[in-house]
Amino acid sequence: AQSVTQLGSHVSVSEGALVLLRCNYSSSVPPYLFWYVQYPNQGLQLLLKYTSAATLVKGINGFEAEFKKSETSFHLTKPSAHMSDAAEYFCAVSSPPVFGKGTRLSVIA
Amino acid sequence: GAVVSQHPSRVICKSGTSVKIECRSLDFQATTMFWYRQFPKQSLMLMATSNEGSKATYEQGVEKDKFLINHASLTLSTLTVTSAHPEDSSFYICSATGGGDYGYTFGSGTRLTVV
Repeated sequence: AQSVTQLGSHVSVSEGALVLLRCNYSSSVPPYLFWYVQYPNQGLQLLLKYTSAATLVKGINGFEAEFKKSETSFHLTKPSAHMSDAAEYFCAVSSPPVFGKGTRLSVIA
Repeated sequence: GAVVSQHPSRVICKSGTSVKIECRSLDFQATTMFWYRQFPKQSLMLMATSNEGSKATYEQGVEKDKFLINHASLTLSTLTVTSAHPEDSSFYICSATGGGDYGYTFGSGTRLTVV
């Protein structure tokens, strides 16, 4: 079965600091990997997806993620956090997506 | 871009009654739709997958007689929670794909509260 593990249920960064949200996956086949963002009481918005093309995937709002097969990782990064980035972030694997537990990102002014 | 509309956004119902949640793809034909459930501060759990014109496939542990799914057209899927109980209170989110490019578009969710 395919699954993802998100390390850290809550991450707090200062505005302007680097954002790093960690995701490790388990998959017996080449995975499809996704990062989604969820704002309170809303659905999910796709940030980016990996589908076996380039290993460095650029998404919306300045986010990007790098697929590292040797580490079975797909960490999400953003060079400079904005207050508006505060939300819940979900890593997902497979098709249809199987979600991790989520990481809540707080941005401190 | 692809848009999925989910309605209602919030519903409160009495224990024992049934509630229907609609999920519509507004600008594409959704060959497959998915229903997820999200408990507070937890992840999304896939409940079922529905293909237009055929019976839904339920994930293990999901009661198909309690959560009735109908996907009668390429733009509409409904989830009916039958004989709802307080433990059915949750956030339900639908997702739709038109196939190809692994694009999954999510609705804005429905907050169900059973009292």
